[in-house]
Amino acid sequence: NAGVMQNPRHLVRRRGQEARLRCSPMKGHSHVYWYRQLPEEGLKFMVYLQKENIIDESGMPKERFSAEFPKEGPSILRIQQVVRGDSAAYFCASSPRTGTEKETQYFGPGTRLLVL
Amino acid sequence: KNQVEQSPQSLIILEGKNCTLQCNYTVSPFSNLRWYKQDTGRGPVSLTIMTFSENTKSNGRYTATLDADTKQSSLHITASQLSDSASYICVVSALAGNNRKLIWGLGTSLAVNP
Repeated sequence: NAGVMQNPRHLVRRRGQEARLRCSPMKGHSHVYWYRQLPEEGLKFMVYLQKENIIDESGMPKERFSAEFPKEGPSILRIQQVVRGDSAAYFCASSPRTGTEKETQYFGPGTRLLVL
Repeated sequence: KNQVEQSPQSLIILEGKNCTLQCNYTVSPFSNLRWYKQDTGRGPVSLTIMTFSENTKSNGRYTATLDADTKQSSLHITASQLSDSASYICVVSALAGNNRKLIWGLGTSLAVNP
């Protein structure tokens, strides 16, 4: 059973370009979470999705950022018109279900975005 | 306000020594508390998870404790190894309606030196 997969692992963009980050959850997992980690800082929750639904996007900036988890295919975190402050590591996690007290999130290796 | 605070911010120990990391939280209503290990350049990996009724949980050389009354948790690492060098993150889960919201600490950066 492959773990959570993210691609690309490294992404370089110039200011104003778009960044698309992909996350394939573990097999059998239908819940996906995106986090951002700035250098020397802790993880910050961005968004929680189930298949075709956004459950909680309270941590996502209102502008330029969007996320989706379609019925088929990976979850996508999209950043439009990137700025230097978007440079960070973006981690995706998945879990099999929620509502249970001990559900664990399994993390991918992250995508490191560098905005020039 | 829901918060998780960890101490120390960073720690250096010699290989073979024990150490204890602290986590204080103000999260309500409390659901569970987890400790994650994050190696440099990698995603976090779950070490332990404890609910309200559990006050200790072990995973190999890692032992976590939870005092729900004082809202404190500790992670004890026994006989440290070089591979223990990582960031250790305390994460508290709060009930939010039908969902649970994770509140992440900033982590303790541990360096184990030979």
